[in-house]
Amino acid sequence: SQTIHQWPATLVQPVGSPLSLECTVEGTSNPNLYWYRQAAGRGLQLLFYSVGIGQISSEVPQNLSASRPQDRQFILSSKKLLLSDSGFYLCAWSPRSNSPLHFGNGTRLTVT
Amino acid sequence: AQKITQTQPGMFVQEKEAVTLDCTYDTSDPSYGLFWYKQPSSGEMIFLIYQGSYDQQNATEGRYSLNFQKARKSANLVISASQLGDSAMYFCAMREFNTGNQFYFGTGTSLTVIP
Repeated sequence: SQTIHQWPATLVQPVGSPLSLECTVEGTSNPNLYWYRQAAGRGLQLLFYSVGIGQISSEVPQNLSASRPQDRQFILSSKKLLLSDSGFYLCAWSPRSNSPLHFGNGTRLTVT
Repeated sequence: AQKITQTQPGMFVQEKEAVTLDCTYDTSDPSYGLFWYKQPSSGEMIFLIYQGSYDQQNATEGRYSLNFQKARKSANLVISASQLGDSAMYFCAMREFNTGNQFYFGTGTSLTVIP
């Protein structure tokens, strides 16, 4: 069966520090991969999605970036965090067919 | 224009009663899928139910059913026999199969089940 791992679960970082959140999927190949952000009490904002290694689509211009160095690995990064980057970050994957998104457990990021 | 609209920020329901959470969508793609997710306070996103645009019958999964009205572009979630554990945020989402790989989410509805 397929599983998705996302870490860390919580993170407190000072403004201006770098960020690296990692997500890996097991039990499937060539998945579509997604990064979402959810502000407190709000809906999900799509940040990036990827249909293959090295293929990244950005939905919202910001100081975040994403990379997909391997088929089942998706990384969200920032060189310098802003206060507004605080939120709940969710990684997700889906097969290529008409299947739902499967989410990781999320990372709660607080920028201080 | 919003792809997914959820007009109920918060809903209350008595335990054991049924509740309907509204969702309307906007697309010109004839092939699409509609999804509902539950997000408890722990933050995890739990997939509940799926409806394809070509499905003839409304989807059902246990106590969850989807009232799909294609002409009105609505896909309301019905939860029957509400339980205290149903208290959570509920999100409606859509995927357009011909126009990309994106999933569009609504702003969510917070459901509180009252004992």
